[in-house]
Amino acid sequence: DTGVSQNPRHKITKRGQNVTFRCDPISEHNRLYWYRQTLGQGPEFLTYFQNEAQLEKSRLLSDRFSAERPKGSFSTLEIQRTEQGDSAMYLCASSLSGFFYAEAFFGQGTRLTVV
Amino acid sequence: AQRVTQPEKLLSVFKGAPVELKCNYSYSGSPELFWYVQYSRQRLQLLLRHISRESIKGFTADLNKGETSFHLKKPFAQEEDSAMYYCALGETSGSRLTFGEGTQLTVNP
Repeated sequence: DTGVSQNPRHKITKRGQNVTFRCDPISEHNRLYWYRQTLGQGPEFLTYFQNEAQLEKSRLLSDRFSAERPKGSFSTLEIQRTEQGDSAMYLCASSLSGFFYAEAFFGQGTRLTVV
Repeated sequence: AQRVTQPEKLLSVFKGAPVELKCNYSYSGSPELFWYVQYSRQRLQLLLRHISRESIKGFTADLNKGETSFHLKKPFAQEEDSAMYYCALGETSGSRLTFGEGTQLTVNP
């Protein structure tokens, strides 16, 4: 599968623990996005990278959340001191930058359950 | 701030009937609008974008700037069209997509 890959697919963790998710974008894509989706809602933007630079963060992204893309390839999203409200599907997407908004290709997501 | 509204969470039609999924948006700039679809147990994928002006799987969508709408239409629904449909607005900077809450379309035989 040459699409966007996310690992793990599912994660169950106890409240207060730290979790880290990984996203491998389509190899030639320089933009990488993280979204969060809760039940009955559309995806909500969290942050995005162009190459290794994190260019924008949503106000949804509290200081317990941190994302990195150290070499402009894969990215990690870490949540520290998880709370039950963090339970959601975390989606990664990638695209090529350009004059027009390029198509974003989504991964299958990581479903986080905080118990 | 940008906003996308899909007023119907659920929509059910019979096979062969026309279908219209509504989408309204608010955005101060020049919008780029998309429809994404998620079939059962599959990832979210692009269905069509207004700038392409194309028809995909028989679906079309016209951007109406006066009514700030981007409704998705298909004249004859098929059972395989059953899926969750999301309308999304892209900022011209390409920094983010703002999604609506989605409409679950069910096409009955």
